[in-house]
Amino acid sequence: SYVLTQAPSVSVAPGETASISCVRNNIESEIVHWYQQQPGQAPVLVIFNNNDRPSGIPARFSGSSFDNTATLTISRVEAGDEADYYCQVWDFNRDYWVFGGGTKLTVL
Amino acid sequence: VQLVQSGGGVVQAGRSLRLSCSASGINFNDYLLHWVRQTPGKGLDWLALLSYDESSRSVKDSVIGRFTISWDNFKNTLYLQMNSLEVDDTALYFCAGSRQGAPFDNWGQGTLVTVSS
Repeated sequence: SYVLTQAPSVSVAPGETASISCVRNNIESEIVHWYQQQPGQAPVLVIFNNNDRPSGIPARFSGSSFDNTATLTISRVEAGDEADYYCQVWDFNRDYWVFGGGTKLTVL
Repeated sequence: VQLVQSGGGVVQAGRSLRLSCSASGINFNDYLLHWVRQTPGKGLDWLALLSYDESSRSVKDSVIGRFTISWDNFKNTLYLQMNSLEVDDTALYFCAGSRQGAPFDNWGQGTLVTVSS
């Protein structure tokens, strides 16, 4: 089955850089999207098509993909970035959307 | 664009429930609507998608036969009919929208479904 693996948690100090990974074999050949979900709220798209930002998303958010790992990078992390982050890919074989298990970003 | 959900609640295992998602401000051409659920404290689980003209439809294997996605053109409302509910179906259910092949750029507010044994 199509599985996207994310680390359960990442911790970073304010002002530092957070890297959130999404792992699948040869993921660099896929199109990866990233969502941020604050507690009690619906997810918000923060990166689409691997490294594009929707309007309103700060330039501190960026995406990349190489080999088996896609990465969401958040530079100069702020307290308000504390949230759960999910990667998403379309599974062409089954016509499914697949989400990663999510990573909880804690700002120390 | 606005997606407003209704229809959640508490239901006994084995019973049925229908969720609704009223859509407005959307250009329905080339637009898809989805159902996604999130079990308490866990991740997102995509369930199904449907285009307004029903030409595009996909349902996750794990709920085929129990869950049905449908669209009412007159009411501009998406539905998720859930039958034979199980305790493990307890979750927060979201509707979401996207263009074909694109990520989800609009989400409903979510509605909680609790299935009791």
